[in-house]
Amino acid sequence: QVQLVESGGGVVQPGRSQRLSCAASGFTFSNYAMHWVRQAPGKGLEWVAFMSSDGGLKSYPDSVKGRFTIFRDISKNALYLQMNSLRPEDTAVYYCTREGASSWLDYWGQGTLVTVSS
Amino acid sequence: DIQMTQSPSALAASVGDRVTITCRASQGISNYVAWFQQKPGKAPKSLIYAASSLQSGVPSKFSGSGSGTDFTLTISSLQPEDFATYYCQQYNTYPPTFGQGTKVEIK
Repeated sequence: QVQLVESGGGVVQPGRSQRLSCAASGFTFSNYAMHWVRQAPGKGLEWVAFMSSDGGLKSYPDSVKGRFTIFRDISKNALYLQMNSLRPEDTAVYYCTREGASSWLDYWGQGTLVTVSS
Repeated sequence: DIQMTQSPSALAASVGDRVTITCRASQGISNYVAWFQQKPGKAPKSLIYAASSLQSGVPSKFSGSGSGTDFTLTISSLQPEDFATYYCQQYNTYPPTFGQGTKVEIK
């Protein structure tokens, strides 16, 4: 069965960096586009990154563009989100999610909490 | 960016009720709308994609409709496990954007 397991969250100071990981299993990882979506405490959902199935296309919203980078290691079936120059407003639970062939965001991980605070 | 406006923001309903949540896009998005259910402390769960297609394993009491700018999610007979927050999302144009959510509570 499809599983996505995020890790790497924690408390980080403003201006510092953090890298999140998402371990994928139960499907052929290299065949699927992947996304990261976040949720600030008590707030709604916000999309933060996309990578195409061939890895050649990436996209970010303006709120994180230039600070966040999505990448993957196919040999490890792992997706990553490198977050630099973190701000308090980046505090959120970060979810890894798979884009189905025609079914949009069909599977989600359980999320990992990043708290940006001094 | 395309704005997705959900209504209502919250509603109270009884077990067995038919519930409808609407989502309006700020511009036409064809049928590129998905609906998600989220329970407290849990990850979102995909219910509907392409406005009206049910994700695998999702019960048929959930249905979606709409095209262009106006979309609806309907729960035909509300059950205790359906009390949650529901989000719409458009994926016609990047960045994909979510509605603000609709919290379905017990009356």
